[in-house]
Amino acid sequence: DQQVKQNSPSLSVQEGRISILNCDYTNSMFDYFLWYKKYPAEGPTFLISISSIKDKNEDGRFTVFLNKSAKHLSLHIVPSQPGDSAVYFCAASKSSARQLTFGSGTQLTVLP
Amino acid sequence: KAGVTQTPRYLIKTRGQQVTLSCSPISGHRSVSWYQQTPGQGLQFLFEYFSETQRNKGNFPGRFSGRQFSNSRSEMNVSTLELGDSALYLCASSLDGIGANVLTFGAGSRLTVL
Repeated sequence: DQQVKQNSPSLSVQEGRISILNCDYTNSMFDYFLWYKKYPAEGPTFLISISSIKDKNEDGRFTVFLNKSAKHLSLHIVPSQPGDSAVYFCAASKSSARQLTFGSGTQLTVLP
Repeated sequence: KAGVTQTPRYLIKTRGQQVTLSCSPISGHRSVSWYQQTPGQGLQFLFEYFSETQRNKGNFPGRFSGRQFSNSRSEMNVSTLELGDSALYLCASSLDGIGANVLTFGAGSRLTVL
């Protein structure tokens, strides 16, 4: 039973345009959400997070939106750059627990 | 500030053998977690250690075990290896308290079981 789902295995975007990565979750106990980026042969790198008390969090080119009623979150990257090409994982957790439940990842390719 | 260090980076074992993987967390981080990444299952939580105690455990068989030392370094062990144990094993460390959910991952140990 996948509690965190990323339904798009891949996404291609032109450089300079917006990239939107989506994630759905089923467990209503999750109250903290994170996005990680992963390059080949490296571990995942933390990008941005959001608590369930917020519906938006921004950090530079990255913005995460949370829709609790729909159990949906999205990561917006504006503008997209070729260096953003990587696998993006959505993750969820309960309160301050260190156990993260990950989605299956979306391969983002930013075309120059 | 040094990141999370995992050793070895790559290793090859045969079925039935056992393997031990090591993880040195970021200085000051007392929580260490382990995850298994496979193409079919994505990243799955194995266990978490804090102050030498296992605080949380994922849904893996007893062949998977771990421990944490007083300096927060951690090891995980897989006994009686099976072909399906071939995976990237990722260690992550974190602070306790506020921001504790933000894990910093190492580069991983790539295990191949033949």
